Amino acid sequence: TQLLEQSPQFLSIQEGENLTVYCNSSSVFSSLQWYRQEPGEGPVLLVTVVTGGEVKKLKRLTFQFGDARKDSSLHITAAQPGDTGLYLCARNSGYSTLTFGKGTMLLVSP
Amino acid sequence: NAGVTQTPKFQVLKTGQSMTLQCAQDMNHNSMYWYRQDPGMGLRLIYYSASEGTTDKGEVPNGYNVSRLNKREFSLRLESAAPSQTSVYFCASSLLPRDNEQFFGPGTRLTVL
Repeated sequence: TQLLEQSPQFLSIQEGENLTVYCNSSSVFSSLQWYRQEPGEGPVLLVTVVTGGEVKKLKRLTFQFGDARKDSSLHITAAQPGDTGLYLCARNSGYSTLTFGKGTMLLVSP
Repeated sequence: NAGVTQTPKFQVLKTGQSMTLQCAQDMNHNSMYWYRQDPGMGLRLIYYSASEGTTDKGEVPNGYNVSRLNKREFSLRLESAAPSQTSVYFCASSLLPRDNEQFFGPGTRLTVL
């Protein structure tokens, strides 16, 4: 089983703070996706990273794929209450399926 | 476009009852998936259909059956519900089997008493 470990499991911060969450695996993966799931809704894709060392930015969110393609991080600058949600990483686990990590639950308080 | 729709949104069953969860997508996607989400367990794949006419087991298929009715619709059936099947169920679709992006429905919250 190609497990994805996400850390921390839960993060509670104040508006305006910066944070980083992590996604790690013991094996190399060809690509990695980050999803955000808001309470009561399904996950929504934020970004896909493919190349080792790749950095992608989405407004205040910065995604990095490790050089060895075994890990990834998501950094949020100046978090806002609208960033509250469950952040999931996912990797291909066969021809047509994804394996998801257990997620990091982020709570941003005003 | 509605994207991926699921019915019902909520359901309460008694142990042993059966029910079918419905999923439909209007994006002309080829692949469809059923997941369950439990606290501390993340999203786990139950069954998937890489293309119309095919279905395959995922990580946790026991107690479930699926039907790919046509390209748009993929249903999940619980023949004899058990309390362990209390969960939130998500349907998803993707354009191609190898397509990284999956589009998710809003979920069905199922409680089995």
